Amino acid sequence: DQQVKQNSPSLSVQEGRISILNCDYTNSMFDYFLWYKKYPAEGPTFLISISSIKDKNEDGRFTVFLNKSAKHLSLHIVPSQPGDSAVYFCAAPSNFGNEKLTFGTGTRLTIIP
Amino acid sequence: DAGVIQSPRHEVTEMGQEVTLRCKPISGHDYLFWYRQTMMRGLELLIYFNNNVPIDDSGMPEDRFSAKMPNASFSTLKIQPSEPRDSAVYFCASSPSRGQGNWGSNQPQHFGDGTRLSIL
Repeated sequence: DQQVKQNSPSLSVQEGRISILNCDYTNSMFDYFLWYKKYPAEGPTFLISISSIKDKNEDGRFTVFLNKSAKHLSLHIVPSQPGDSAVYFCAAPSNFGNEKLTFGTGTRLTIIP
Repeated sequence: DAGVIQSPRHEVTEMGQEVTLRCKPISGHDYLFWYRQTMMRGLELLIYFNNNVPIDDSGMPEDRFSAKMPNASFSTLKIQPSEPRDSAVYFCASSPSRGQGNWGSNQPQHFGDGTRLSIL
């Protein structure tokens, strides 16, 4: 039972345009969401997070939107740069203490120069 | 600032052999996590520790897998005997505790660069 789903395995976007990565979840008890970015041969690195009491969190070129009624979150990258090419994972803590993360399967983003 | 350090980076061994993966978490972090990444199952949590104590090992696939954390700066994940289906990338991650009065918030986990394990 996959509680966090990323239905698009890959996405290609022109440099300078907006990249939108999507994530759906099934557990309405999730109260915190995170996005991680992963380059080949490296571990995932934390990118941005959002609490369920908010519907938007922005950090530079990265903005995460949360739609609780739809159980959907999205990561927007504007403008997209070649260095953004990576695999992006959304994740949510699945236990009361918020330590145990459940990850989506990832979306491979390719920025076309 | 040293990140999470894993060794070896690559391991190739024959079926039936014992495999030991090592992890040094970030100093001061109270939590340590072991993950496995495969094409079929993505990134899945195997086990995690808090203050060197195993908290949840429900993700450990079989008794062939074991993990220890003898002190705050070292952990091992052992597979004995290894099988070809254990081939995957294994990640270790660490995170600090939530701050006092910071109930419900999450401290991001910091990942090592992983060990790519191939069992022939």
